[in-house]
Amino acid sequence: EIVLTQSPATLSLSPGDRATLSCRASQTVSSYLAWFQQRPGQAPRLLIYDTSNRATGIPARFSASGSGTDFTLTISSLEPEDFAVYYCQHRSDRLTFGGGTKVEIK
Amino acid sequence: QVQVVESGGGLVKPGGSLRLSCEASGFTFSDYYMTWIRQAPGKGLEWVSYISSSGVTKYYADSVKARFTISRDNAKNSVYLEMNTLRAEDTAIYYCARGGWLQINDYWGQGTLVSVSS
Repeated sequence: EIVLTQSPATLSLSPGDRATLSCRASQTVSSYLAWFQQRPGQAPRLLIYDTSNRATGIPARFSASGSGTDFTLTISSLEPEDFAVYYCQHRSDRLTFGGGTKVEIK
Repeated sequence: QVQVVESGGGLVKPGGSLRLSCEASGFTFSDYYMTWIRQAPGKGLEWVSYISSSGVTKYYADSVKARFTISRDNAKNSVYLEMNTLRAEDTAIYYCARGGWLQINDYWGQGTLVSVSS
């Protein structure tokens, strides 16, 4: 069973800061790694799919990379609407989510 | 435009049953896997089940296996989740999303709340 561990659990930053979020898998996984953003009271929104591809309509300040067991989501300059919870997800015959990283205003 | 709308949530007693529905529009439903994902109050996302485009292949999380059944009706552009022997820990918002396994979960509904309590 694949376990995804996200770190840190909470990231306290200011608008304009760079955010770096980590997702570590318990074993080597395929490139079917996605990132989702969830704002309070809303459904999750797809940001990144297949490790590094931005979903339709996602701003260029969101980028992602990784392979094997280590994956990263980077937000180059935080906008007010980016303060939210972020989840990584791996797809195989089972779907697995990480525990989430909350990006909060410092 | 792609839309996914869940319904059927509500309050049910422990040991009870509930059937969730998810109606999709704006795309060729029979081409896509469909997935149910849940989120307990204040917690993270948990995958529940997905079903292949034809309905032949179904996978379940261990936490719901043998209690929940996923199905679909491609003629009605709908996917269902039959939930039996419900427990307090099944209390969550249940989201329906397009995709699963080889297809990304790119469109999600707004969710339907299931509360299991006596």
